[in-house]
Amino acid sequence: EAAVTQSPRNKVAVTGGKVTLSCNQTNNHNNMYWYRQDTGHGLRLIHYSYGAGSTEKGDIPDGYKASRPSQENFSLILELATPSQTSVYFCASGGQGEVFFGKGTRLTVV
Amino acid sequence: SQLAEENLWALSVHEGESVTVNCSYKTSITALQWYRQKSGEGPAQLILIRSNEREKRNGRLRATLDTSSQSSSLSITATRCEDTAVYFCATKRNNNAPRFGAGTKLSVKP
Repeated sequence: EAAVTQSPRNKVAVTGGKVTLSCNQTNNHNNMYWYRQDTGHGLRLIHYSYGAGSTEKGDIPDGYKASRPSQENFSLILELATPSQTSVYFCASGGQGEVFFGKGTRLTVV
Repeated sequence: SQLAEENLWALSVHEGESVTVNCSYKTSITALQWYRQKSGEGPAQLILIRSNEREKRNGRLRATLDTSSQSSSLSITATRCEDTAVYFCATKRNNNAPRFGAGTKLSVKP
């Protein structure tokens, strides 16, 4: 069964701190994506990857880095978290016309 | 950039009725995807319709695509309370990441 697993599911971070959101997929998809979801904005693309070692900037990459060390894992890194990055973050994997999303990570930056 | 947008923020119908959600987009595409997101979950892909297709069905769901007017629709027949969700369209261009609209909130009432 297709699976995308995000961790943690909830996170409270301090302004200026470093946050790492992790994502693991067992779908053997080449493509992986990070989105954030805020009320009224739908899902906005932050970073994506075409395979291990590759990362690409999405539409709102400022303040975020990404890392794809393997086919299965894709991380989103906030080096200096700010309150404006409070949001729900979704990871997804895609290939052959199908896309599967994780359950999301709710991040609150205080 | 938000390349897709649904035409209504919210819709409400009664169980058993049919409903249509519309989407317009602003760029050339190779495919358009429809997703459903229930409260507290990640989006789930419902239908992918390629640019050379005019209609695609999946059970009670029917998607249409009109590339000349850059619009798409998702129709749901015989709605059920469990169809209550936010429905998104997302554009796909070659192997690029999906770009989402803001979504239409559908409420199905008993």
